[in-house]
Amino acid sequence: EVQLLESGGGLVQPGGSLRLSCAASGFTFRSFAMSWVRQAPGKGLEWVSGITASGYSTYYADSVKGRFTISRDNSKNTLSLQMISLRVEDTAVYYCAKNAGGGLDGFDIWGQGTMVTVSS
Amino acid sequence: QFVLTQSPSASASLGASVKLTCTLSSGHSSYAIAWHQHQPEKGPRYLMKLNSDGTHNKGDGIPDRFSGSSSGAERYLTISSLQSEDEADYYCQTWGAGIQVFGTGTKVTVL
Repeated sequence: EVQLLESGGGLVQPGGSLRLSCAASGFTFRSFAMSWVRQAPGKGLEWVSGITASGYSTYYADSVKGRFTISRDNSKNTLSLQMISLRVEDTAVYYCAKNAGGGLDGFDIWGQGTMVTVSS
Repeated sequence: QFVLTQSPSASASLGASVKLTCTLSSGHSSYAIAWHQHQPEKGPRYLMKLNSDGTHNKGDGIPDRFSGSSSGAERYLTISSLQSEDEADYYCQTWGAGIQVFGTGTKVTVL
């Protein structure tokens, strides 16, 4: 079964840091680009960051550029998102998503999400 | 600006059909999109990839009553024989030049 399982969410103070992880199974992880998408309370889906299959290229939404870093470990089938300088507006459910190909194209598999709350 | 426009809401009776629209911004009318369903308290679910010529590839297990079509810059998702479990938010997504873009979503209510 193809599965994405996020972890690492929690409550953090403004200015703090958090690292999210996504464990992938059921497909050849190293062959597909991966992304993070978030949904703030009461809002729609927002793409956060993506990484190509090889990990060579990374991409970020303007709202997180310079604060978030996406990475992957193809030997462990794991995707990560390091978040620093967190803001209240980063509060959201964060989803891991598999791209359909090796580059950033449409998503065809989603995880269940992990909640990140930034609050004092 | 790379924008996808969706109506905020749509409704139809149980067993009826509903057609959702996603409009690509100027200059992007040839782009493919993906449709996703998002039910409360769940992760989103991929429905299909929809090309500009109307051809589409559905995700595993997506019922036949979900179909897609295209006309110019508009991409459509039609849900036939509406079921109560179809009540959800529906998002279109497109991509290009290293970015991904979502529409604002359409909330479908089954009456």
